[in-house]
Amino acid sequence: NAGVTQTPKFQVLKTGQSMTLQCAQDMNHEYMSWYRQDPGMGLRLIHYSVGAGITDQGEVPNGYNVSRSTTEDFPLRLLSAAPSQTSVYFCASSTHRGNTIYFGEGSWLTVV
Amino acid sequence: GQQVMQIPQYQHVQEGEDFTTYCNSSTTLSNIQWYKQRPGGHPVFLIQLVKSGEVKKQKRLTFQFGEAKKNSSLHITATQTTDVGTYFCAGAPNDYKLSFGAGTTVTVRA
Repeated sequence: NAGVTQTPKFQVLKTGQSMTLQCAQDMNHEYMSWYRQDPGMGLRLIHYSVGAGITDQGEVPNGYNVSRSTTEDFPLRLLSAAPSQTSVYFCASSTHRGNTIYFGEGSWLTVV
Repeated sequence: GQQVMQIPQYQHVQEGEDFTTYCNSSTTLSNIQWYKQRPGGHPVFLIQLVKSGEVKKQKRLTFQFGEAKKNSSLHITATQTTDVGTYFCAGAPNDYKLSFGAGTTVTVRA
């Protein structure tokens, strides 16, 4: 079982560029989410989805878009990258909201 | 903002010593979960506590859920170098929005 797979692992962007972080899970989990991790800030929820076709904002959604066309995939789009979006991004899934979370291995993003 | 507060932020421990990290919520939690993140890695689920006053053990790790279901603790005995990492608690209030604490980063002196 691959679990939660996210790509790319490392990315450097220039300010203003856009990009998509890909995330896929093979556990048939209904709930998927994206977090960003910054030093001293813990894990902050960006967007989440409780099922295909349903998405909602988390704690820090500005500058990001998501979509959930299938149960398996939950891509995160950066619309116009800013240096403040330099962070480590984790995709995660669980059977339902509030249940045990399985994290992907992370994507290290630097915006210059 | 964060509803779950975690202390201390950093814990420097001599190998073989014990330590405890604490997690406190402003609201009653339906459950609390603990995760461990090794340096450069991703958070990995350790345990979930659901019942008031619940205590669970995993080898040298002891997890407690407070009677009021607003706080939790993780106690590690005889710390080893393999315990290095950041420990996160995550609390789910009744609306099931899981909120992570800022984490306790543990370093071990050999």
